[in-house]
Amino acid sequence: EDQVTQSPEALRLQEGESSSLNCSYTVSGLRGLFWYRQDPGKGPEFLFTLYSAGEEKEKERLKATLTKKESFLHITAPKPEDSATYLCAVQAHAGGTSYGKLTFGQGTILTVHP
Amino acid sequence: DTGVSQNPRHKITKRGQNVTFRCDPISEHNRLYWYRQTLGQGPEFLTYFQNEAQLEKSRLLSDRFSAERPKGSFSTLEIQRTEQGDSAMYLCASSLSGSSDTQYFGPGTRLTVL
Repeated sequence: EDQVTQSPEALRLQEGESSSLNCSYTVSGLRGLFWYRQDPGKGPEFLFTLYSAGEEKEKERLKATLTKKESFLHITAPKPEDSATYLCAVQAHAGGTSYGKLTFGQGTILTVHP
Repeated sequence: DTGVSQNPRHKITKRGQNVTFRCDPISEHNRLYWYRQTLGQGPEFLTYFQNEAQLEKSRLLSDRFSAERPKGSFSTLEIQRTEQGDSAMYLCASSLSGSSDTQYFGPGTRLTVL
């Protein structure tokens, strides 16, 4: 069964204090690893997809990286508006246990104080 | 591109009543997914459709839950004889099968069962 574990559960940062969020996963043949941002009471908002170990993607203050066992979301010089829950999810290959669905971690709640 | 829409946004019902939610995917997206999210957890997969065919259902989807996607366009999720444990955010996502297959989420329907 596919599994995703995110750490820490919650992270408090001062504005400008860079840090990283971790996503550890086990999947029967990784097709893609996805990062989403979710604001309270709203649906998840797509950030990145990573497909293979060594891949990196960037968007503004966020950078996502992928290894064979985990992914990191690096946040550089965060601002209060970066406060949200960040979700990691994996999708397995066709022919794997379940192609199509995303298996999510529980999320990391990020709070950035001014 | 108007995004994924869901209606209603909020639903309060009494235990034992039936409820139905609607999801309108991004136009041209042939895949549609339903997830359930409880407080402090990541979304959990319920079921998904490719066009009008329901390709997978989770063990979480008891006999009281049924989903349809007539004509491969909008989808409905019905819960019969609601229980307090059904209280959650119900999220819909859509994607276009192919190289990226990125799932884009709607705003969700918040169900409260009294």
